[in-house]
Amino acid sequence: EIVMTQSPATLSVSPGERATLSCRASQSVSSNLAWYLEKPGQAPRLLFYAASARATGVPARFSGSGSGTEFTLTISGLQSEDFAVYYCQQYNNWPLTFGGGTKVEIK
Amino acid sequence: EVQLVESGGGLVQPGGSLRLSCTASGFTFKTYSMNWVRLAPGKGLEWISFIDVGTTTIHYADSVRGRFTISRDNAKNSLYLQMNSLTDEDTAVYYCARDEGYGVRYFQYWGQGTLVTVSS
Repeated sequence: EIVMTQSPATLSVSPGERATLSCRASQSVSSNLAWYLEKPGQAPRLLFYAASARATGVPARFSGSGSGTEFTLTISGLQSEDFAVYYCQQYNNWPLTFGGGTKVEIK
Repeated sequence: EVQLVESGGGLVQPGGSLRLSCTASGFTFKTYSMNWVRLAPGKGLEWISFIDVGTTTIHYADSVRGRFTISRDNAKNSLYLQMNSLTDEDTAVYYCARDEGYGVRYFQYWGQGTLVTVSS
């Protein structure tokens, strides 16, 4: 099983600042990585697939990068609706696995 | 518009069983593989099961293998999850999620979730 490790677990950021989230895979997943945003009471929302391909409707302040075992989600100019939990997911191997999540909270 | 609607959640005692359903609309259900993903309180997302279009390929997470059974009825545009021998570790919101097709296993479309609570 590929273990996905996200860091930090919690990130305190002021509105308008930039947030950088990390996701590391225990072995290469090529670019078969997705990012999701999760808010209480809502279904998770796909942000990126193929590591850096922005999903429909995702604002340009979000960017994804990386390949192999190291991936980054960057949010430039955090807005109030961006404070949430973010997950990465690899879909290169079975079983599909998610990272433990990074909570982005208001500083 | 793609819609996935889960049902069947509720309160069940440890050791009990529950069957979840997911009804799909807005796309040709029989041409897409489907998945179940859960979110436990205070924990992260966990993928738990996959079924392909013809029910020939099925995968489970280790945490549920042997206790949960995924199935589908393409004529009814429905996905199911039979959950047996439930423990408190299975308490979670359960989501059905559609594959993107062509072997690409990320999830753009999710249902709203159904809550399963395992407690005595």
